[in-house]
Amino acid sequence: NAGVMQNPRHLVRRRGQEARLRCSPMKGHSHVYWYRQLPEEGLKFMVYLQKENIIDESGMPKERFSAEFPKEGPSILRIQQVVRGDSAAYFCASSPRLDSPLHFGNGTRLTVT
Amino acid sequence: AQTVTQSQPEMSVQEAETVTLSCTYDTSESDYYLFWYKQPPSRQMILVIRQEAYKQQNATENRFSVNFQKAAKSFSLKISDSQLGDAAMYFCASYETSGSRLTFGEGTQLTVNP
Repeated sequence: NAGVMQNPRHLVRRRGQEARLRCSPMKGHSHVYWYRQLPEEGLKFMVYLQKENIIDESGMPKERFSAEFPKEGPSILRIQQVVRGDSAAYFCASSPRLDSPLHFGNGTRLTVT
Repeated sequence: AQTVTQSQPEMSVQEAETVTLSCTYDTSESDYYLFWYKQPPSRQMILVIRQEAYKQQNATENRFSVNFQKAAKSFSLKISDSQLGDAAMYFCASYETSGSRLTFGEGTQLTVNP
């Protein structure tokens, strides 16, 4: 059973471009979470999704950021019109149910130049 | 809202010695879980140990054990017989079953000296 797969591992974007980060949860996991880790900081919750539904997006910036988890395919975290402050490591995690430990992917490091 | 505090930004230990990493948390819930995650330079988040709040017995995983003091809201991690491969950033985290998120502390960078 493959772990949580995130791609790309590294992503470089110029200011104003769009960044799309993908996450394929572990097989059988229907709960997906996105976290952001700024340099020298801990992970901060962004959004929690189940298939086709956003359950909790209270950690998402109000503008430019969106997330989806379609019925088929990976979860996508989309950042429009990126700015330098968006540079961070973005982690995806999945679990089969609410009270199960989260399994993390290896993260996507976004660099905005 | 739940909060997690790690008061030690950095710790160091000699190889084969024991080290304890501190963590305190705050929650209004009675049903929650506590975790320690390890993040080596590869950036991978690795679950080290998990504690259910309703269990009084401290969790143990090989060389890793916790001291869970529920009344004091304290959840420290003890690493025995430290190995060079234990060097990493360690994050304490809490999860409320009524909510939907894992809340992390700011981390403790552990150095293991040969």
